Amino acid sequence: EADIYQTPRYLVIGTGKKITLECSQTMGHDKMYWYQQDPGMELHLIHYSYGVNSTEKGDLSSESTVSRIRTEHFPLTLESARPSHTSQYLCASSELGPANFGPGTRLLVL
Amino acid sequence: KNQVEQSPQSLIILEGKNCTLQCNYTVSPFSNLRWYKQDTGRGPVSLTIMTFSENTKSNGRYTATLDADTKQSSLHITASQLSDSASYICVVSDRGSTLGRLYFGRGTQLTVWP
Repeated sequence: EADIYQTPRYLVIGTGKKITLECSQTMGHDKMYWYQQDPGMELHLIHYSYGVNSTEKGDLSSESTVSRIRTEHFPLTLESARPSHTSQYLCASSELGPANFGPGTRLLVL
Repeated sequence: KNQVEQSPQSLIILEGKNCTLQCNYTVSPFSNLRWYKQDTGRGPVSLTIMTFSENTKSNGRYTATLDADTKQSSLHITASQLSDSASYICVVSDRGSTLGRLYFGRGTQLTVWP
């Protein structure tokens, strides 16, 4: 079992609220990723990081932001949630092997 | 354009039967191909990873094959169990950047009936 954690697992929130999705890994991996996945659809990369103080936007345009102050921590923030942000958000980390995924956060914006 | 296509989109089989899932890709330059299993509401879990020089890789009842010339891979599940019901995702990594970008298929939704 991969040591990568996400909180919260489920979140229901109103439009306009600011939220932060947490992701932590204990494997010391430099590379970390955030993916967005709608039901029955493929994963889309929204943010990634090579290491501390390194963040880049992914393929899918996202209104979220990320930070990487510590190796083990890669939080994702939505400044003002909208119903279009309703989705599952998956965090992952990797070194040379396959990416290890967290359990995901299911977000519902009303 | 780098793409990963999986077939079938969904599959229903009876417990104990075998099945094969397909993955075709156009990712270049190719680095490796991975199969993941994703249970509903969970994150994907890695089953196998294969590089260019590997033709087959097994993990228990799961056997993956890779033909790098035709850019095709398959995942064979032997003696299926109810717990095999999940989405199986093919992921291809390129080596055109330091990141090793991952390209995801949409997955095959497998349902195993008793």
